[in-house]
Amino acid sequence: GAVVSQHPSWVICKSGTSVKIECRSLDFQATTMFWYRQFPKQSLMLMATSNEGSKATYEQGVEKDKFLINHASLTLSTLTVTSAHPEDSSFYICSARGRDRGDHQPQHFGDGTRLSIL
Amino acid sequence: GQNIDQPTEMTATEGAIVQINCTYQTSGFNGLFWYQQHAGEAPTFLSYNVLDGLEEKGRFSSFLSRSKGYSYLLLKELQMKDSASYLCAVMDSNYQLIWGAGTKLIIKP
Repeated sequence: GAVVSQHPSWVICKSGTSVKIECRSLDFQATTMFWYRQFPKQSLMLMATSNEGSKATYEQGVEKDKFLINHASLTLSTLTVTSAHPEDSSFYICSARGRDRGDHQPQHFGDGTRLSIL
Repeated sequence: GQNIDQPTEMTATEGAIVQINCTYQTSGFNGLFWYQQHAGEAPTFLSYNVLDGLEEKGRFSSFLSRSKGYSYLLLKELQMKDSASYLCAVMDSNYQLIWGAGTKLIIKP
């Protein structure tokens, strides 16, 4: 159980392109989804937290107009990197947490999306 | 401020036992998680401790002492596939996960 699917797994595109990443909880309802970014050999950095049906909460220093998050249903959240530039190249990972056992249950991660902007 | 400390890197031998320590200082405590992350992959959940003591799950065990702000992950009968980074994360009073930088574990034959 607790499977999270993230798509695509790898994106290479030109500077200025907008890229959408999908995160789906396949076998549970995810009331909260998290978006992380991880640069090589560094720790996970939380970008934003989204709850179903409400606006995402962004961490300090993360531009909400640059990284658009939509959590329209209990099984789907999307992250759109708008007008991506080479410095946005990173490993983006989503995670989801269900509601059945409250806030203490672990986050389950998608496989991540490796984004390379040329 | 909130802080999670764990060693940057550890080396162990196949078949041996290794203990990865994690100390934390957070605003409130709602549990401590250990995750495993292989290079180039997303983290996978290993364990969760919210009460003091040892939780055993197969070859992996996790220990927590809330009074000391301390946890460890114990890996027994090490296998080459255990080579990975191990992330300690604490859930604070706002139910936010505070992540450690991870410990890279290198297993040698």
